[in-house]
Amino acid sequence: GENVEQHPSTLSVQEGDSAVIKCTYSDSASNYFPWYKQELGKRPQLIIDIRSNVGEKKDQRIAVTLNKTAKHFSLHITETQPEDSAVYFCAAPGGSYIPTFGRGTSLIVHP
Amino acid sequence: GAVVSQHPSRVICKSGTSVKIECRSLDFQATTMFWYRQFPKKSLMLMATSNEGSKATYEQGVEKDKFLINHASLTLSTLTVTSAHPEDSSFYICSAYAGTDGEKLFFGSGTQLSVL
Repeated sequence: GENVEQHPSTLSVQEGDSAVIKCTYSDSASNYFPWYKQELGKRPQLIIDIRSNVGEKKDQRIAVTLNKTAKHFSLHITETQPEDSAVYFCAAPGGSYIPTFGRGTSLIVHP
Repeated sequence: GAVVSQHPSRVICKSGTSVKIECRSLDFQATTMFWYRQFPKKSLMLMATSNEGSKATYEQGVEKDKFLINHASLTLSTLTVTSAHPEDSSFYICSAYAGTDGEKLFFGSGTQLSVL
């Protein structure tokens, strides 16, 4: 099955700085890579996703990059704000389309 | 986006009782739903894949008789934690792929189970 590794587990930044979270996956059949944001006690929310035929996608302060050859993808958040503080998860479906999640990154943005 | 409704949001029960959690797709049909368990500050651990009209597929290490899953219709899946014990206390969350955008996963609001 798919194996997803996510780093770092915790990321602490100052407001206005950039944050980068990286994930690697094992199943070359994976072709869709979403990122979710989860606030404490709430459901994960999809914030951005990318398909394997694209190398980069941006949505305002958030971007995702994908390197299919190296099997890794990254979430980039620029000009971080305190409300960006949350746990972020990457996921990859593998060939079975059953989503496998990374372990999560706790992002803390200090005002 | 698609809406997945999950109830109850919070339940406190005594050890030995059973608890049923419902997950509904409100504006789409879901032939498959996923049930996850999440510990504080940890990732989503897949427990089982719920299939409409057939038996659920459980992940290795998940007790089928402990966590009963029923997916009787295209919009409803239930998870019953039988004879709950304190170690079953956790955040349980369901999800489903929306019909019109099959790759995007939508989550229920989660159920915080506390077994005393």
